[in-house]
Amino acid sequence: DADVTQTPRNRITKTGKRIMLECSQTKGHDRMYWYRQDPGLGLQLIYYSFDVKDINKGEISDGYSVSRQAQAKFSLSLESAIPNQTALYFCATSAGPFGEAFFGQGTRLTVV
Amino acid sequence: AQKITQTQPGMFVQEKEAVTLDCTYDTSDQSYGLFWYKQPSSGEMIFLIYQGSYDEQNATEGRYSLNFQKARKSANLVISASQLGDSAMYFCAMRELGFQKLVFGTGTRLLVSP
Repeated sequence: DADVTQTPRNRITKTGKRIMLECSQTKGHDRMYWYRQDPGLGLQLIYYSFDVKDINKGEISDGYSVSRQAQAKFSLSLESAIPNQTALYFCATSAGPFGEAFFGQGTRLTVV
Repeated sequence: AQKITQTQPGMFVQEKEAVTLDCTYDTSDQSYGLFWYKQPSSGEMIFLIYQGSYDEQNATEGRYSLNFQKARKSANLVISASQLGDSAMYFCAMRELGFQKLVFGTGTRLLVSP
């Protein structure tokens, strides 16, 4: 089993719908991140969390919200999806200040 | 604010040759870490190599080495003896000790030809 698991892997949703992307990890890391990848723009940070009570906005948090339900679980919600939120979404975890990030397999989201 | 710049959108190299992928960064923090990731066409993100700001020697991992020039704020990835399987997107990233955000560059697409 993967250390960082994202569900779903692929999702097509309609404009205006609420959608939740889930991430769970078995690495025991305290730091978790949500990124969005668009062609030519690399990975942009949406939200990050250092523990259950510490959640921070990244570069592009507008239109997104997150929930850290437990150390191992970090969910990303789109309250009212719009087409320009069509992208590849990654969850990642890391341990310590300079540990490398471990990524989930990605969720390909299409908003029509 | 921390920033990563990768100026090469695409690079081409012949099999068995070496290639350098450029990365420059901007930070006001004295303590930071630099990372390189590979993203093949299948989409997963694969960690390649790490360099700490206080590391005196350049990091190496097999065919990967990081050419770290602190004064120039550059952290170039060198891939020796390129293989066809090296064709992928490559991302440079940085985390500051202070802010702890992991910030990525826009990536370089490497194509290795036979």
